[in-house]
Amino acid sequence: GESVGLHLPTLSVQEGDNSIINCAYSNSASDYFIWYKQESGKGPQFIIDIRSNMDKRQGQRVTVLLNKTVKHLSLQIAATQPGDSAVYFCAEGGNRDDKIIFGKGTRLHILP
Amino acid sequence: KAGVTQTPRYLIKTRGQQVTLSCSPISGHRSVSWYQQTPGQGLQFLFEYFSETQRNKGNFPGRFSGRQFSNSRSEMNVSTLELGDSALYLCASSLWDQNTEAFFGQGTRLTVV
Repeated sequence: GESVGLHLPTLSVQEGDNSIINCAYSNSASDYFIWYKQESGKGPQFIIDIRSNMDKRQGQRVTVLLNKTVKHLSLQIAATQPGDSAVYFCAEGGNRDDKIIFGKGTRLHILP
Repeated sequence: KAGVTQTPRYLIKTRGQQVTLSCSPISGHRSVSWYQQTPGQGLQFLFEYFSETQRNKGNFPGRFSGRQFSNSRSEMNVSTLELGDSALYLCASSLWDQNTEAFFGQGTRLTVV
């Protein structure tokens, strides 16, 4: 499949455990944040988003936490499954430039 | 409903040539954005089109250009190809702008030799 990134940080998690993927964003003016999942050979897939007027948002098995004070975003995946193996990207937008800026990505590896 | 379709999936070109990539957004979506993805630089924003107008542009040289048609389909063109242009080119469509949920295509893998 496609190689998304040869030198990405990797998080290895036991199947069934919770995963926490962290992201530091760059622009304090950003007010929209998104997490994407990219599996090998596919384009990024939207997981969950959050606006800056919130500090937590929950989806199905996923939770995004936003800490604007330290410009930190995290994605929590509950009960990690083999299908969660992918590269996860955070992205920030809604800033003055109105551009979406992607982070470098974290590879999530599920241990059996 | 059909997702974002990018054609072709794979392309091999030689240095100096030009290339055109195509993206058909989700029906009803008016915003189309293009990204370049490489192992070294990650996902980088190229440009965004809305209602046939370029609304936003990233920091790429003028060799990279695009356009959008009245049916929201978009094309991007790269002229005078360089080896460093080898990448996965991704297109994303959204209803209004990049600050709403965006749906990506599978990308076009361009290899410049």
